[in-house]
Amino acid sequence: AQKVTQAQTEISVVEKEDVTLDCVYETRDTTYYLFWYKQPPSGELVFLIRRNSFDEQNEISGRYSWNFQKSTSSFNFTITASQVVDSAVYFCALRDAGNMLTFGGGTRLMVKP
Amino acid sequence: NAGVTQTPKFRVLKTGQSMTLLCAQDMNHEYMYWYRQDPGMGLRLIHYSVGEGTTAKGEVPDGYNVSRLKKQNFLLGLESAAPSQTSVYFCASSYPRGAEQYFGPGTRLTVT
Repeated sequence: AQKVTQAQTEISVVEKEDVTLDCVYETRDTTYYLFWYKQPPSGELVFLIRRNSFDEQNEISGRYSWNFQKSTSSFNFTITASQVVDSAVYFCALRDAGNMLTFGGGTRLMVKP
Repeated sequence: NAGVTQTPKFRVLKTGQSMTLLCAQDMNHEYMYWYRQDPGMGLRLIHYSVGEGTTAKGEVPDGYNVSRLKKQNFLLGLESAAPSQTSVYFCASSYPRGAEQYFGPGTRLTVT
């Protein structure tokens, strides 16, 4: 069975600090997909990134970057120079050969001015 | 292009009552999903569908039924609501094979 663990339940930082959200996953499949979603206080779920298991290149999008390491089964998310608008719950998710997406428990990020 | 919409946004039920949540998508996605989100937890899959006329059980299907009579709609039914079904329900849709899922705004259901 697949599993996603986000060990950090809450993180609090001051604006402009860098912050890394950890995600560790378990799956027996060799082909799988990893995702990050953002859930701001308004409640909707916003897709941020998708990675397939054959693409270990790190990705950067503005202040966001993702580090995928198959050797440690991790897919960590870093926000550089955090802003108050980054305050949200962030979910990591895994989809393997089946059709089900398994979510981690989420990390609540609070960015204080 | 509305994306994924859910009806209603809020609902209060009494124990034993029934209701249907409607999800609609206009992106021509094959796959559709129903999740529930409880405080402090991630989303858990209730049921999903890989195409019109098909449905399958997810992680927490008990107490729920679904139907996908049209490609663009996915209905979630509660036959006899229980307080344990108090939750926020999200619908999502996607293309197949590992594509990202797009979520609706959610339905907040309270069962008293």
